[in-house]
Amino acid sequence: DAGVTQSPTHLIKTRGQQVTLRCSPKSGHDTVSWYQQALGQGPQFIFQYYEEEERQRGNFPDRFSGHQFPNYSSELNVNALLLGDSALYLCASSLAAIRKLFFGSGTQLSVL
Amino acid sequence: AQTVTQSQPEMSVQEAETVTLSCTYDTSENNYYLFWYKQPPSRQMILVIRQEAYKQQNATENRFSVNFQKAAKSFSLKISDSQLGDTAMYFCAFMNLTSGSARQLTFGSGTQLTVLP
Repeated sequence: DAGVTQSPTHLIKTRGQQVTLRCSPKSGHDTVSWYQQALGQGPQFIFQYYEEEERQRGNFPDRFSGHQFPNYSSELNVNALLLGDSALYLCASSLAAIRKLFFGSGTQLSVL
Repeated sequence: AQTVTQSQPEMSVQEAETVTLSCTYDTSENNYYLFWYKQPPSRQMILVIRQEAYKQQNATENRFSVNFQKAAKSFSLKISDSQLGDTAMYFCAFMNLTSGSARQLTFGSGTQLTVLP
């Protein structure tokens, strides 16, 4: 049983570019959450998707957007990249009724 | 809004010894979960232990146990018989279970634990 998978593992972009990160949830999970983890800090909640809709959003600008597909996989899009967007982006999946999140290994984004 | 504070940025322990990691939190909610996650160099966040706020009994998972003091809003993690594989960053996290909330985790800043041979 595959766990949460994220792609790519590493990504290098320049300021102003756009990036798309992908996440496949654990089998049977219907909810996907995205977190940003800056170097030396704890993860910060970006948003959560359930039934293909954004259910709740953290304190992130509109440059951060997402999508959930009918197969429950998800994408995180970041537009107009800033140097401060450099971070590890973690995806977590869960069942809506279960309070237990399973995390992927993340995508390390570097903005130059 | 909830906040989670981990006041120990780094800790070390000798192999086979016991170590306790501290965590305090602030919330006005009554229905919530608390978690300890481990993040090794592989970067994957791994659940260590979970505590339901309505349960008075402290959670235990093999060598890992918690001391949950609800009135004091304190949630410490005790690791017994420390092993080299326990070396990792440990995060304390809070989840609000109030109806309508998104089941998001609020994390502390982490404690880097090093187990010494």
